Parts: sequence; structure tokens; C-alpha cells
Amino acid sequence: QKEVEQDPGPLSVPEGAIVSLNCTYSNSAFQYFMWYRQYSRKGPELLMYTYSSGNKEDGRFTAQVDKSSKYISLFIRDSQPSDSATYLCAMSRGSSYKLIFGSGTRLLVRP
Amino acid sequence: EADIYQTPRYLVIGTGKKITLECSQTMGHDKMYWYQQDPGMELHLIHYSYGVNSTEKGDLSSESTVSRIRTEHFPLTLESARPSHTSQYLCASSEGSGDYEQYFGPGTRLTVT
Repeated sequence: QKEVEQDPGPLSVPEGAIVSLNCTYSNSAFQYFMWYRQYSRKGPELLMYTYSSGNKEDGRFTAQVDKSSKYISLFIRDSQPSDSATYLCAMSRGSSYKLIFGSGTRLLVRP
Repeated sequence: EADIYQTPRYLVIGTGKKITLECSQTMGHDKMYWYQQDPGMELHLIHYSYGVNSTEKGDLSSESTVSRIRTEHFPLTLESARPSHTSQYLCASSEGSGDYEQYFGPGTRLTVT
């Protein structure tokens, strides 16, 4: 069983929709939760990170962590065609521990 | 401009050849990483380095080797390429104590025929 599970998609939404991307995990020791965005033929780029539980907002993006359910989410408001990419969740047990990545969800925002 | 570079971007090579994938960063980061990524699959850490002359193997067994002679340079070498090495190789770096904030290069897509 993988430590981090992520639906591969693709998830197709119309422009302006609210997008919800999710990951589940099995290791209760994870403390840091990250969302990376990867465009085709590019390397991943860090969008947001959250320490422990709670919400974090950055512009149109909101990251949510529910440690009791071992579930994390990324919400994108007013989605744009430029948001079309693969979104990878990643987790680690501490600030100096290796990252464990999900396999990514491919998002397509239709104009 | 501070960045992380990988060359070549694409490489097609025959079985048995020796190859070196280059990775350089201009951000002065102490920590650097190599990941392997297959289509639709998660990134797997194959090597990492926390500074000059420090290298460690990652979670995924790999026949590649790495070196870290200069802070900015972290090349990966395959002594004898095989078709099973066909994959995308991503280099990343991070600063200070925060492994969670990693900056990735554009990747090298390797095909071994």
C-alpha cells in the first residue's frame, strides 16, 4: 500500500469553477504537507505548504489539512486555463525529512 | 537570476553507454536531490546530498551514482545504460533546514534503446 494516495484524474472543469484536489495518507507521523504544481515537460514548483493541521490561504489557493482523517485538500477558486497542470501532494515527517509524493492529479480547466 | 538547470533536457542513447546528467543551481543551496519520475507515477528519491562531499542513496534503489564536489553542481552518472533506466530525472535543491521547500529543475527525459 502506498503511503500517499492521489486520484490521477484527469479532472476537467470549466473556467471559473472551484476545484478541489485531495490526497489521503497512512502515516500519522507526517507533519509537513505540500502542494506542488507541475506543467507539462517542466519540473514541479511549490505552491503551498502547511505545518500540522488547519487551513492556509494564498490568493486563489487554499490548503487544508485534516490529520484526524489523514486527508489533505487544495482548493482553487475562480480557476483559469493557466491552472491546467498536474498537482502533486507531498508530505514529510519533519522539516529535515525526505518528501513522500503522491502520483499527481491532472487538472484541465476549459475556457 | 537564481535558478536550477539541468542538461541535457532530452537524451536518447543506446544500451551500454555511459551517461552523465548535469544539474547546477545558482541559489547557493546546501541540499540537493535527484528524483526519478515515470508517467503517472510519484517522484521517487534516488540520491541526495546535504553538502559538499556528502551523498546518500534515496528510497528507490538505483544503479546510478552521484558526486558533490562543488556546492552548485550535482551530476548523476549511469556507467552502463539499460532500457530499464528510461525515465524522467528531476534535480532539486533546498536551503537551510527546510527540505519541504524544494526547487526543481526542468528535468532530463532519458530514453535508452
